[in-house]
Amino acid sequence: DAGVIQSPRHEVTEMGQEVTLRCKPISGHDYLFWYRQTMMRGLELLIYFNNNVPIDDSGMPEDRFSAKMPNASFSTLKIQPSEPRDSAVYFCASSLNPPGGGDTQYFGPGTRLTVL
Amino acid sequence: AQTVTQSQPEMSVQEAETVTLSCTYDTSESDYYLFWYKQPPSRQMILVIRQEAYKQQNATENRFSVNFQKAAKSFSLKISDSQLGDAAMYFCAYAGTGNQFYFGTGTSLTVIP
Repeated sequence: DAGVIQSPRHEVTEMGQEVTLRCKPISGHDYLFWYRQTMMRGLELLIYFNNNVPIDDSGMPEDRFSAKMPNASFSTLKIQPSEPRDSAVYFCASSLNPPGGGDTQYFGPGTRLTVL
Repeated sequence: AQTVTQSQPEMSVQEAETVTLSCTYDTSESDYYLFWYKQPPSRQMILVIRQEAYKQQNATENRFSVNFQKAAKSFSLKISDSQLGDAAMYFCAYAGTGNQFYFGTGTSLTVIP
């Protein structure tokens, strides 16, 4: 398997623009996670899905952020409108079973987002 | 919520020497899992080692081993025979019944040739 695939790897945009980040989980993995990593706050869980259904979105910072998983092989994280404080590395991860079952999460390479 | 603490923001080790990275966590659960992830400059998060709390035996993966002290809620990572490729950020993570991973703030490891 190719692992978790994310695109784009780098995104530079201007404040106010819409940004869409994409993720393809490992085939057969039922759980998908979106994380944000910053120097100040470290790794934060934004939202996770089970079988394409959002289970916990309490980490989503505000209404400007939205995530979807229309099918088992694709998820998007959208920021609209983007702000400079959204600049971070966004990771997607997937796992076969829930974290409580001790399953390893496999991470994608991340998208480095810069909002000017 | 569980908390994971890595008290060493930065560590350094001479090539071929041994280094230990510290991690403590706070939980009231009895069954849980602990992980160490490595994040090299490429940013990719890579699993290093995994420990099941109900297992007393410390996990080992080649040059990487852990010292799991359940009563003390401590989970340190030992890297033996350090290599230049071990230079990275290392994150400790906890997974319990809450269906979330809780990550520490990371330790940046420098390997000195």
